[in-house]
Amino acid sequence: GAGVSQSPSNKVTEKGKDVELRCDPISGHTALYWYRQSLGQGLEFLIYFQGNSAPDKSGLPSDRFSAERTGGSVSTLTIQRTQQEDSAVYLCASSFLGGPDTFGSGTRLTVV
Amino acid sequence: QQQVKQSPQSLIVQKGGISIINCAYENTAFDYFPWYQQFPGKGPALLIAIRPDVSEKKEGRFTISFNKSAKQFSLHIMDSQPGDSATYFCAATFPNAGGTSYGKLTFGQGTILTVHP
Repeated sequence: GAGVSQSPSNKVTEKGKDVELRCDPISGHTALYWYRQSLGQGLEFLIYFQGNSAPDKSGLPSDRFSAERTGGSVSTLTIQRTQQEDSAVYLCASSFLGGPDTFGSGTRLTVV
Repeated sequence: QQQVKQSPQSLIVQKGGISIINCAYENTAFDYFPWYQQFPGKGPALLIAIRPDVSEKKEGRFTISFNKSAKQFSLHIMDSQPGDSATYFCAATFPNAGGTSYGKLTFGQGTILTVHP
């Protein structure tokens, strides 16, 4: 595809359930980023992967959040035991060098 | 130290006018300052970016002005068009240990721009 693809586009889950969000970056991009966007907190950094280096996880808000990137391509963000404050739009971006340039349309997560 | 303050929160401009959005930062280690444009239902898209070794960068109708001593930077949209109506975010960051990427952006709170025809 031409852009960053995220799935699902919408996810409603019950409090306490685990969720997995998927990101397919642009082919050839070595860096992949996860951010989240909410009304109260704006755009927040979560984690980023750069090539084969250890990911920068410093933005993950708690140990309920984890992410992996398999084969240097697809990434999955997992949230365990979801809480209502996890409700947000989760955005993925990729780039070759520099910072994030192309974001996907996001996954809107609603925890009820 | 990590904050980026953006103003105004919203801006209404007539077609053909100049839109100006301002940002201020505290962390002097920041050395990459991008601007993003976001349309409803879409993710942000990189519009233009600047590093502090230059005071101005222009791409088409979009210009970043950078004042290192004041720790401020601004986006100017010349000849604003209704299609420019979107939310604009400034951001700032510093490179990773290897100096190869700028992944950990600190964003401003955003400015909703409306351009009236």
